[in-house]
Amino acid sequence: QQPVQSPQAVILREGEDAVINCSSSKALYSVHWYRQKHGEAPVFLMILLKGGEQKGHEKISASFNEKKQQSSLYLTASQLSYSGTYFCGTESPGGYNKLIFGAGTRLAVHP
Amino acid sequence: NAGVTQTPKFQVLKTGQSMTLQCAQDMNHNSMYWYRQDPGMGLRLIYYSASEGTTDKGEVPNGYNVSRLNKREFSLRLESAAPSQTSVYFCASSEGGWYQETQYFGPGTRLLVL
Repeated sequence: QQPVQSPQAVILREGEDAVINCSSSKALYSVHWYRQKHGEAPVFLMILLKGGEQKGHEKISASFNEKKQQSSLYLTASQLSYSGTYFCGTESPGGYNKLIFGAGTRLAVHP
Repeated sequence: NAGVTQTPKFQVLKTGQSMTLQCAQDMNHNSMYWYRQDPGMGLRLIYYSASEGTTDKGEVPNGYNVSRLNKREFSLRLESAAPSQTSVYFCASSEGGWYQETQYFGPGTRLLVL
């Protein structure tokens, strides 16, 4: 099943913070986050691993709660360049190399 | 390195026509993937190839076939295109060792089926 992302869309002013959530009904091995700018390909941001190791990107961080099968992406002091659509991709035990992506969260950062 | 390349960039087909989307990567990756992206649906996996010589179905394989031609190339074929296959198609690749791998995406092919 496709993970559920919330909110569907966020509008921010530069410097404001945002949180994007990703929730799955299946047990997860890892959660991947990608960002896609309009008309471009998705680009990798980070992976959250079972066991707690986290990899980060710029001023963007994330958490992964294995028991709740949830991940949250934190964007702090947002910049204009953060605008785009954010996707979480979930990787389940037995499904290595196969990501199931959420529907995405559109983020718009204005001056 | 070019990364992941896709051809063509745009294509218009009539219902019933066939076509092949081409994908190539120069990163010596073992695994390759085909996704389609529709508004509000995110990225959905069509087929993937964990390694050269193997292919497997993803979430939405109906109406498509794939060929892993060699380690570099992975093609997607629409035998009889339908309007429901209008979408943006992305190819991706990853090292293919185990879990937790970054996928690298190509620029996409925009397909319109009339």
